[in-house]
Parts: sequence; structure tokens; C-alpha cells
Amino acid sequence: KQEVAQIPAALSVPEGENLVLNCSFTDSAIYNLQWFRQDPGKGLTSLLLIQSSQREQTSGRLNASLDKSSGRSTLYIAASQPGDSATYLCAVSQGAQKLVFGQGTRLTINP
Amino acid sequence: KAGVTQTPRYLIKTRGQQVTLSCSPISGHRSVSWYQQTPGQGLQFLFEYFSETQRNKGNFPGRFSGRQFSNSRSEMNVSTLELGDSALYLCASSLSSGSLTGELFFGEGSRLTVL
Repeated sequence: KQEVAQIPAALSVPEGENLVLNCSFTDSAIYNLQWFRQDPGKGLTSLLLIQSSQREQTSGRLNASLDKSSGRSTLYIAASQPGDSATYLCAVSQGAQKLVFGQGTRLTINP
Repeated sequence: KAGVTQTPRYLIKTRGQQVTLSCSPISGHRSVSWYQQTPGQGLQFLFEYFSETQRNKGNFPGRFSGRQFSNSRSEMNVSTLELGDSALYLCASSLSSGSLTGELFFGEGSRLTVL
């Protein structure tokens, strides 16, 4: 059974810092990994999708890496801003549109 | 391009009642999946539909059911509501037509409170 863990559960940093969020999964047989953000009481916003054959994806200030063999992914956020405050979730797919989610990292960027 | 639309956004029911939630996917997306989000269990997969057929189902009791219409809109139904069914129910759509997972796009969710 696939299990996804995210560390830390919460993170608070001052504005402008670069930061890394971690995601680990137990079964390396995945099709892809997706990072989402969720604002309080809202749905999920897709940030980055990494296919199993890829090593990383970039979008603006965000960079996500994937090491399938070790079961790890990181989300790097450069020059953090207060608007980046949200819960960040990673999810892995083993097929059939079924995602297994981590519990998320609640990120607070302090002005 | 309109995103995934879920209705209603909020609803309150009492134990024993039943509820139907609706989801309209992004235009052109034929895959619709449903997830339940609770503080204790996080996000859990309920089921996925493609071309009106349920392709995959999560580990939920039979009180949870769904369907998809020919226009790809989907509904999920929960019968005989229990207090533990209180949750945010999220719908996601995907362009992926095969068995592999494409990028999922989520709606804002329907927040169900069971009293």
C-alpha cells in the first residue's frame, strides 16, 4: 500500500527566504507526482506535475524534483512571499487517476 | 476557460439523510474523480469515472456512490449520512483518456456538515 509523508507538517519563515518542502513515498512504482497548494477552505490548485521519467519541473519561482528510486520529491520555493502562505500537498499516482496524498505542509511566510 | 465547478458549496444535513453533490469538469475533460478531505484522514480517493463508467473505486462503504453523465458531468451520492461523513468533498477532472494519470484540476469543493 502506497504511503506518502510530508515533512515538516508546518513551517514558518520570513519573507524573502528560499525554502524546501519534502515529500516521500514508500512504493517507487509511480506514474507521476503532483504538487498542489490549498488555501484555507478552498480547493486544490495544481502547481507542478512530474512524470516518472522526469527529474524536475519548474514554474516561475517553483522547482520540483523527483528521485523515484529513493522515493523522494522536493518542492523548492525561491524568494518566498506572504502570498505563498498555504498548505502544500504532494500526491503520487499509480494509475487510473487515483492519487495518494500526503498530509501536507502548512507554510507561513511572515512579512 | 472555466474551471471545475462544484455545487452546492456548503450544505448541512442530519444523520440518516442522503445528499447529492454535483461536479462539472473542465470542458473537454472526460475523467472525473472524487476525493474526501477530513482533518483526521486527509485527502482520500473515492472513485473515478470516465465515459460514464466507474474505472476505479477507493475504500469507502457502499453508501458512497456516483455516476457520470454523457456530458461528463458527475454526481456523487451519500446515503444514510453519519456524523463522520462531515468533510470537504472535492471533485477533480483530467484530460487523460487512458489508464495513466494526467494532471488533475480540482474544484473548490462541497463542504458537508452532518448534524
